[in-house]
Amino acid sequence: QSVLTQPPSASGTPGQRVTISCSGSSSNIGNNYVYWYQQLPGTAPKLLIYRNNQRPSGVPDRFSGSKSGTSASLAISGLRSEDEADYYCAAWDDILSGWVFGGGTKVTVL
Amino acid sequence: QVQLVQSGAEVKKAGASVKVSCKASGYTFTSYGISWVRQAPGQGLEWMGWISAYNGNTIYAQKLQGRVTMTTDTSTTTAYMEVRSLRSDDTAVYYCARGTTVHHWFDPWGQGTLVTVSS
Repeated sequence: QSVLTQPPSASGTPGQRVTISCSGSSSNIGNNYVYWYQQLPGTAPKLLIYRNNQRPSGVPDRFSGSKSGTSASLAISGLRSEDEADYYCAAWDDILSGWVFGGGTKVTVL
Repeated sequence: QVQLVQSGAEVKKAGASVKVSCKASGYTFTSYGISWVRQAPGQGLEWMGWISAYNGNTIYAQKLQGRVTMTTDTSTTTAYMEVRSLRSDDTAVYYCARGTTVHHWFDPWGQGTLVTVSS
């Protein structure tokens, strides 16, 4: 059972907006930054969002992150077929003194 | 470009040890650390620990304390991760990822190393 809670799946048609939630607690999301990673099929994860809402260079602005209290969300606007992947949220946990991840959300483009 | 290249797949018997390497290039190795993250088949990500390439300081996940050792070789800019007393639930793809400090995000990641533990 993952410390951070994500829905197992999400889907949308090309061009739609999809939102993925990530729920935690005061010891992780509530007190630390949230990060999002994209894992395309058969590949290693890749950093998508850092420090709640910052995009690394090269990540399209269709991807955006936000955080409020002990929850965070990732939004994908203008959904494209190449966005089909697993998405993971992560945060440092002050009680566990380690990184914790969500269970991952599989995004399907219909 | 910054790159992490990991060693090849391993098959081990339960109770044995495995050591995975992660060769770094394209940046000053000792200015960053390396985290290790594993992913069991069809499962999510699990952080295993972090090592400073500057001074060798380590922070391990509580669950793996005593069974995992992380080291670095600055002469070859390579990080290593060893797991002892392997069990079937250690079967996973093991990733290394660069992180300035233990609190820093993981970027980039290595390509992953599949470790299969058989009984």
